[in-house]
Amino acid sequence: DAGVIQSPRHEVTEMGQEVTLRCKPISGHDYLFWYRQTMMRGLELLIYFNNNVPIDDSGMPEDRFSAKMPNASFSTLKIQPSEPRDSAVYFCASRPGQRGYEQYFGPGTRLTVT
Amino acid sequence: QQPVQSPQAVILREGEDAVINCSSSKALYSVHWYRQKHGEAPVFLMILLKGGEQKGHDKISASFNEKKQQSSLYLTASQLSYSGTYFCGTDSSNTGKLIFGQGTTLQVKP
Repeated sequence: DAGVIQSPRHEVTEMGQEVTLRCKPISGHDYLFWYRQTMMRGLELLIYFNNNVPIDDSGMPEDRFSAKMPNASFSTLKIQPSEPRDSAVYFCASRPGQRGYEQYFGPGTRLTVT
Repeated sequence: QQPVQSPQAVILREGEDAVINCSSSKALYSVHWYRQKHGEAPVFLMILLKGGEQKGHDKISASFNEKKQQSSLYLTASQLSYSGTYFCGTDSSNTGKLIFGQGTTLQVKP
């Protein structure tokens, strides 16, 4: 299996621009998670899906952030408009079951907003 | 809500042992441990479930005290490859949703 795939790996954009991050989970995994990692705040859960349905988006920082999962093999995280404080590494992870199963992380997207 | 890890950082010589602790203020259903090397994604090490079940790495051990909401990760006879940042992730809602601690940086020197 190819593992969790994320694109792009690096993104540099200017403040105010729209940014779309993409994730392909491992085939057969029912759960998909989006995390943000910064030095100051550590590894934060933004949102997670079960069978393509958003279950908990309480970690989404504000309305500028949105996430979708149109099918079992694809998810996006969109930031519009982007701000410098959104600069971080964004990880996508997937898992096969509800509990007792490890999460498999993708390589991450390093986002820099100037 | 975020679990607290201790120590924040530790430096070892090869062959030495280390213990990393994770403490939560909430009752826990499971504790997960991950290791992250610089510039890479977190990698799964171990899961400890309420009730005593464990899954994970054969060279790393851990404990889970359900009553105290604490877990400890034991790294014995450390190798250079053990260097990295260790995170515990706790599930207090029995949904599999994890809240991660702030991390413990481990450096193993020759």
